[in-house]
Amino acid sequence: EDQVTQSPEALRLQEGESSSLNCSYTVSGLRGLFWYRQDPGKGPEFLFTLYSAGEEKEKERLKATLTKKESFLHITAPKPEDSATYLCAVQAAQGAQKLVFGQGTRLTINP
Amino acid sequence: NAGVTQTPKFRVLKTGQSMTLLCAQDMNHEYMYWYRQDPGMGLRLIHYSVGEGTTAKGEVPDGYNVSRLKKQNFLLGLESAAPSQTSVYFCASSYGGSSQPQHFGDGTRLSIL
Repeated sequence: EDQVTQSPEALRLQEGESSSLNCSYTVSGLRGLFWYRQDPGKGPEFLFTLYSAGEEKEKERLKATLTKKESFLHITAPKPEDSATYLCAVQAAQGAQKLVFGQGTRLTINP
Repeated sequence: NAGVTQTPKFRVLKTGQSMTLLCAQDMNHEYMYWYRQDPGMGLRLIHYSVGEGTTAKGEVPDGYNVSRLKKQNFLLGLESAAPSQTSVYFCASSYGGSSQPQHFGDGTRLSIL
């Protein structure tokens, strides 16, 4: 069964304090790994898709990386507006319409 | 550009009542999805559609029905609401199924008393 586990569940950082969020996954043939950001009361907002081990994607203060077993979302010098829940999801090669989501990491950046 | 619009945003029902949640997208996407999000459970797929006139079951389909009569709309129905269906429901759409990012609406918060 495809599974996604995110850690930590919650993370508090000071503004400017860099850190990483983890997404561990098991899937029968990875077609894609997706990162989303979700603000309170809103739907998930797409950030990145990663397709193969070794791939990296960047957007402003965020960088996503992928290995065969996990993905990291690195946050460099975060600002309070980066506070949100970050969701990771995988898409298997079979049943490609389905995304399997992790439970998310709730990130709080204190000014 | 509205993207994915969900109606209503909030609703309270009594056990046994029925209702329909509406999802509309203006991106000409082929694929549409319904998820529910519960604390500690993550997003779980209820039903999805790969095109107008088609529907398929997801991970947690029991107690729900769907219809996709028009490409831009995807309806989620609860025939006889139960307290276990209290959740936040999200609709999403994508250009295709494989490796295409899904774009989400802002959800419908549904409480069943």
